[in-house]
Amino acid sequence: EAQVTQNPRYLITVTGKKLTVTCSQNMNHEYMSWYRQDPGLGLRQIYYSMNVEVTDKGDVPEGYKVSRKEKRNFPLILESPSPNQTSLYFCASSPRDRPYNEQFFGPGTRLTVL
Amino acid sequence: KQEVTQIPAALSVPEGENLVLNCSFTDSAIYNLQWFRQDPGKGLTSLLLIQSSQREQTSGRLNASLDKSSGRSTLYIAASQPGDSATYLCAVRFSNSGYALNFGKGTSLLVTP
Repeated sequence: EAQVTQNPRYLITVTGKKLTVTCSQNMNHEYMSWYRQDPGLGLRQIYYSMNVEVTDKGDVPEGYKVSRKEKRNFPLILESPSPNQTSLYFCASSPRDRPYNEQFFGPGTRLTVL
Repeated sequence: KQEVTQIPAALSVPEGENLVLNCSFTDSAIYNLQWFRQDPGKGLTSLLLIQSSQREQTSGRLNASLDKSSGRSTLYIAASQPGDSATYLCAVRFSNSGYALNFGKGTSLLVTP
């Protein structure tokens, strides 16, 4: 089944403890991205990647890192999480050969930073 | 800054009613527009994707229209059911924003039995 998977689905952590949220897609998509969703603010893009080893900042990149060493994986790294990074995170992917393609979203990761 | 606005923010209707959700966007230069459904605390389910060259898309009881020149899209839900209760999100891919989707804040729909 074609899908985007994220792990973990739920995470409670403490301030300053490094964590990684994984994202994987099995559709051979070039484009992948991360969004966060907050009440009253909607979904905002954090980082995106056009292909392996190519990443760029979205609208709210502060406090996050990403890497794209393999086409299928796009992990989101929080080096020193803070309470304002408590949010619902979504990973998305899309083929890149045409600009009109649908984007597919993962199930979300709910992160709480105490 | 390019923006996507959804009105109303919340809507409550009795079961069986036909309803329309509205989405407006500030720039007519778009690649496509996607409507999503989100259940509380859950992920995004893609409902319909309309390309910039299209006027509408239909899936079952759902019909989405696009008027690019006026910067508007509507999602029409026919014969609403309690199972339609969810938040509906409109997302626009603007031509000069790469592959990023710009989301509205959503319309929270409640269909009462």
